Amino acid sequence: NAGVTQTPKFRVLKTGQSMTLLCAQDMNHEYMYWYRQDPGMGLRLIHYSVGEGTTAKGEVPDGYNVSRLKKQNFLLGLESAAPSQTSVYFCASSNRWGQYFGPGTRLTVT
Amino acid sequence: GQQVMQIPQYQHVQEGEDFTTYCNSSTTLSNIQWYKQRPGGHPVFLIQLVKSGEVKKQKRLTFQFGEAKKNSSLHITATQTTDVGTYFCAGLIIQGAQKLVFGQGTRLTINP
Repeated sequence: NAGVTQTPKFRVLKTGQSMTLLCAQDMNHEYMYWYRQDPGMGLRLIHYSVGEGTTAKGEVPDGYNVSRLKKQNFLLGLESAAPSQTSVYFCASSNRWGQYFGPGTRLTVT
Repeated sequence: GQQVMQIPQYQHVQEGEDFTTYCNSSTTLSNIQWYKQRPGGHPVFLIQLVKSGEVKKQKRLTFQFGEAKKNSSLHITATQTTDVGTYFCAGLIIQGAQKLVFGQGTRLTINP
């Protein structure tokens, strides 16, 4: 099992550009999440999904969109990147015992 | 806003000393989870506590869940350099929908 994988690992964008981060899990988990992590801010939930075809807003959803067309995939989109979105992005999936995180995507917006 | 507070934010110890991080919630938690993140890595699930007053041990790590299910602690006995990292608590709050709220983390550094 690969667990939770994320692509890409690193990305540099210019202000106004768009991109999609892909998260995939092979553990058949219903719940999936997108977090961002900034120094001193811990993990902040952007969006989450409780199952295929469903999404919901987390703590900091503005500027992001998500889709969960397949159970194993959860996509995070930035339509018009801003420097404030420079961060490390983690995807996670969960069962009843805890959350399992991907390796992260380091995004820099210049 | 942030409903789960974790202290201290940073802790530096000599190798062999003990370490404790505390987590406090303004809301009763359904469960509390603990995660460890090594520098440059991703959070890794350590344990989940569910019952009021529950205590669990993993080798040198002791986890406690308070009687009121509003606070928790992680204690490491005789730290080793492999314990370096940031420790996060995360409380599951059920108010209609389920929400897992992370504390800000305690970053542990160790002087060998």
